[in-house]
Amino acid sequence: GDSVTQMEGPVTLSEEAFLTINCTYTATGYPSLFWYVQYPGEGLQLLLKATKADDKGSNKGFEATYRKETTSFHLEKGSVQVSDSAVYFCALSDAAGGYQKVTFGIGTKLQVIP
Amino acid sequence: DAGVIQSPRHEVTEMGQEVTLRCKPISGHNSLFWYRQTMMRGLELLIYFNNNVPIDDSGMPEDRFSAKMPNASFSTLKIQPSEPRDSAVYFCASSSGPITSSEQYFGPGTRLTVT
Repeated sequence: GDSVTQMEGPVTLSEEAFLTINCTYTATGYPSLFWYVQYPGEGLQLLLKATKADDKGSNKGFEATYRKETTSFHLEKGSVQVSDSAVYFCALSDAAGGYQKVTFGIGTKLQVIP
Repeated sequence: DAGVIQSPRHEVTEMGQEVTLRCKPISGHNSLFWYRQTMMRGLELLIYFNNNVPIDDSGMPEDRFSAKMPNASFSTLKIQPSEPRDSAVYFCASSSGPITSSEQYFGPGTRLTVT
């Protein structure tokens, strides 16, 4: 079945540091890939997505490239801010029996300190 | 649009009581998902509706859990009887799916505490 593996946190960085959160996946079909972010006390919200191989999703300075050859979708940001402190979820969406099936990773908590 | 609306935001109940969580999806969305989030197990999909029909309920923990979607604008998740291990944050999400590239929109969640 489908699965998503992402690094366990917490990840603690100083402001303006470079961020990488690794995500790899296993899927039987041709999934779409997502990064969601969850701020304290809130629900998840979409950060970026990519729907086919070599696509790059980007938003708010975050980027991730859909790498089919390495089955990866690593999240990167060149300079993190305190406001980026949150939990980040990698997810894939595949078709199962004609319907959307979404699989989430365990989430990686990011803490950015001033 | 107001986004996905969930009620109540917080619920504290005693073991053995019935609990009903409510969700109003975004207008026009035809897919609805119920998730449970805990520290130990992370985010778990409980049930998925498409066009008000349950498509996948394999994540529903046991018979104490039931979910309904009587129309396109309302869904409930019921736990009867509740147990302390049901304590978690329950999220409802909707999408304009079922295509695989569809984004899910999450509600703010209901924090359930069963004592």
